[in-house]
Amino acid sequence: QVQLQESGPGLVKPSETLSLTCSVSGASISSSTYYWGWIRQPPGKGLEWIGSVYYSGGTYDNPSLKSRVTISIDLSKNQFSLRLSSVTAADTAVYYCSVSTDLYDPLDYWGQGTLVTVST
Amino acid sequence: DIVMTQSPDSLAVSLGERATINCKSSQSVLFNSNNKNYLGWYQQKPGQPPKLLISSASTRESGVPDRFTGSGSGTDFTLTISSLQAADVAVYYCHQYYTTPLTFGQGTRLEI
Repeated sequence: QVQLQESGPGLVKPSETLSLTCSVSGASISSSTYYWGWIRQPPGKGLEWIGSVYYSGGTYDNPSLKSRVTISIDLSKNQFSLRLSSVTAADTAVYYCSVSTDLYDPLDYWGQGTLVTVST
Repeated sequence: DIVMTQSPDSLAVSLGERATINCKSSQSVLFNSNNKNYLGWYQQKPGQPPKLLISSASTRESGVPDRFTGSGSGTDFTLTISSLQAADVAVYYCHQYYTTPLTFGQGTRLEI
């Protein structure tokens, strides 16, 4: 079974860049079988897909985030990462990493999530 | 973007009774070439990530109790819990993976 674990700072200042990493176990991130994704959930609110990355480095992201998103993959560390630039308080959320067997497949496994607060 | 709209926003059901949650997509998520609906249902309990219950609108995931049933096609979908258990108290989300951006319903809070 694939296991995912998010890590990164829990507090980011406004206008700075949020950076998170998802460590993967139980599967190889270099496998062509999977797509690796990021989803966020503001406190008490619903789910928003941020974007996904394939082992080749190809990425797909949500236009609503207006090109602030960079998702990358590190095959040597079996990890993938999220960078979200120019953050505001509206970016305060629990950030989840996830995996699916295709971009157009449901999200089978999720990490436990990490709360990132944007504040001075 | 495909907008997913769930109803109701919250629902209180007695133990052992049936719970029904609806989900409507702003455009069809049925792919005609394979007759598959690109629609999933998730259960989220407090402090936990969402858990996939049902994929392809009606396929129950391994280990999911058979009291959970998904139905519907095209733009209208339903999640039914046939006999509510205390462990089913959660927020339920529908999710379309037919096209990007992937989108979710706003959630339905199920209480006893």
